[in-house]
Amino acid sequence: KNEVEQSPQNLTAQEGEFITINCSYSVGISALHWLQQHPGGGIVSLFMLSSGKKKHGRLIATINIQEKHSSLHITASHPRDSAVYICAVGGGADGLTFGKGTHLIIQP
Amino acid sequence: KAGVTQTPRYLIKTRGQQVTLSCSPISGHRSVSWYQQTPGQGLQFLFEYFSETQRNKGNFPGRFSGRQFSNSRSEMNVSTLELGDSALYLCASSPLTGPYEQYFGPGTRLTVT
Repeated sequence: KNEVEQSPQNLTAQEGEFITINCSYSVGISALHWLQQHPGGGIVSLFMLSSGKKKHGRLIATINIQEKHSSLHITASHPRDSAVYICAVGGGADGLTFGKGTHLIIQP
Repeated sequence: KAGVTQTPRYLIKTRGQQVTLSCSPISGHRSVSWYQQTPGQGLQFLFEYFSETQRNKGNFPGRFSGRQFSNSRSEMNVSTLELGDSALYLCASSPLTGPYEQYFGPGTRLTVT
């Protein structure tokens, strides 16, 4: 069973700061997902990675398969980025295994 | 394309009752997964359906069941509700089974009293 660890659990930063959230997993995977959850519950898929790096707007996700580690970066953070960011691995018949999430607050 | 829809959005039930939740995936998506989110346990995998077949089930008792119809819509059922079943139930769809991006619905918030 894969174990997914995220750090930090909570992060408060000032608008404009560069944000990094880390995710480690214990067993080799076919894909890693970064998800965003706003108050109210809705979850949005930000990235799905199996290798390398992906960028979407101010968000960048990287994965190191050998080290079983991924990072999510937010450049020029904004208060609207405040949300819970969740790392998940797997998918398909075994479903996703989730980290506990990182609660991010960006203060103006 | 319309997103994943779930009905109802909110539900209050009494211990011992049963409940059925519905999920309509994005048009063309054939895989539907269900997840339970609670403050204590976080997000946990319930089951995945693909082509009307349950492919796997997470570590949940037999009171939790589901099915998928030929149009890929899925339902999950919880019988003999317990207080601990209070949670946000999320479904997610993807085009096929396997390592594909999953598109989540808004969830059904179930409260058991």
